[in-house]
Amino acid sequence: EDKVVQSPLSLVVHEGDTVTLNCSYEVTNFRSLLWYKQEKKAPTFLFMLTSSGIEKKSGRLSSILDKKELFSILNITATQTGDSAIYLCAVEIQGGSEKLVFGKGMKLTVNP
Amino acid sequence: DAGITQSPRHKVTETGTPVTLRCHQTENHRYMYWYRQDPGHGLRLIHYSYGVKDTDKGEVSDGYSVSRSKTEDFLLTLESATSSQTSVYFCATSVLTGTQYFGPGTRLTVL
Repeated sequence: EDKVVQSPLSLVVHEGDTVTLNCSYEVTNFRSLLWYKQEKKAPTFLFMLTSSGIEKKSGRLSSILDKKELFSILNITATQTGDSAIYLCAVEIQGGSEKLVFGKGMKLTVNP
Repeated sequence: DAGITQSPRHKVTETGTPVTLRCHQTENHRYMYWYRQDPGHGLRLIHYSYGVKDTDKGEVSDGYSVSRSKTEDFLLTLESATSSQTSVYFCATSVLTGTQYFGPGTRLTVL
């Protein structure tokens, strides 16, 4: 059974802190790993990772994939209250139809 | 963002009644998906479609059916709603790359 595990499941930090979100996976046919941010509505796309060791960066957010150890991390530096959200990790399964298997999500709360 | 709308956005219904949720997209994306999101479970795939009239089951398909008669519309039907189907339902679409774009969600309450 394909599985995606996120840790921690929740985290409370203060503004300015740096956080690291972890995502590990066990799937049959890996194609890519995706990160989404979900505030009080639909998930919005952050990153898609397909190759090990290549960092993707967008502002204060960055992510990297390790296909040997089967995990990815999402880093957020200098956190702001607007970073408070649920962060979802998903793995795309190769074999057609671009199916995604999601982790349970990680709730980040950034306090002022 | 892909132009994805869902209707209704909120619905309260009673156990045993049929319910149909609609997903409409304007991006001509080939793939469409229905998910449910529940606390402690994340997003779980109910059904998906890889073209008009081409659909398949996801991991939590029991009690749900789907239809796709046009590229832009994907319907999710609960034939006889149960309280366990109280959830937030998201529709998503994708082209090819695996990046899925999500609709705004439908909050369904089954009493």
